[in-house]
Amino acid sequence: GENVEQHPSTLSVQEGDSAVIKCTYSDSASNYFPWYKQELGKRPQLIIDIRSNVGEKKDQRIAVTLNKTAKHFSLHITETQPEDSAVYFCAASIIRNQFYFGTGTSLTVIP
Amino acid sequence: NAGVMQNPRHLVRRRGQEARLRCSPMKGHSHVYWYRQLPEEGLKFMVYLQKENIIDESGMPKERFSAEFPKEGPSILRIQQVVRGDSAAYFCASSNRRGADTGELFFGEGSRLTVL
Repeated sequence: GENVEQHPSTLSVQEGDSAVIKCTYSDSASNYFPWYKQELGKRPQLIIDIRSNVGEKKDQRIAVTLNKTAKHFSLHITETQPEDSAVYFCAASIIRNQFYFGTGTSLTVIP
Repeated sequence: NAGVMQNPRHLVRRRGQEARLRCSPMKGHSHVYWYRQLPEEGLKFMVYLQKENIIDESGMPKERFSAEFPKEGPSILRIQQVVRGDSAAYFCASSNRRGADTGELFFGEGSRLTVL
């Protein structure tokens, strides 16, 4: 099955700086890569996603890049704010509609 | 359009008892997934179901755990003879697509099981 690895497990940045979280996957059949944000005690919520036919996608301060050859994708958050503090999960989905999640990155934005 | 509804939100059981967790997917969604999240850990896949069918249960422990998604009513995750290690948050998610055109997962608020 698919194996998704995520790094780093914890990340602290100063408010206004950028944050980058990286994930790798093992199954070349994976074709959909969402990112979820989970605030403490809350449900995970989709913040951005990318499909395998696209290399980059941006939504305001959040962007995701995908390198299919290297089988890795990254989340970039610019101009970080304290409310960006949360746990972020990457995931990879393969054709039979299974979703595999990374182990999460706990992001802390220091005011 | 109500989101994914899970109940109970919190459940306390003593060792050896049974736990039943329920999940109603979003309206129009026919795919349900269950994930387990241990404190400060990631989301671990347990089972993927469609109406009346288990599609993938490769993440389910072989014993004591079962899941169903009947034609009518919510999906149920059942844990028999609970042990302290079963204490976790159990998240349900639903989706409305399959195949190459996979769709977004919508998560419920989770059910937090505590085994005393």
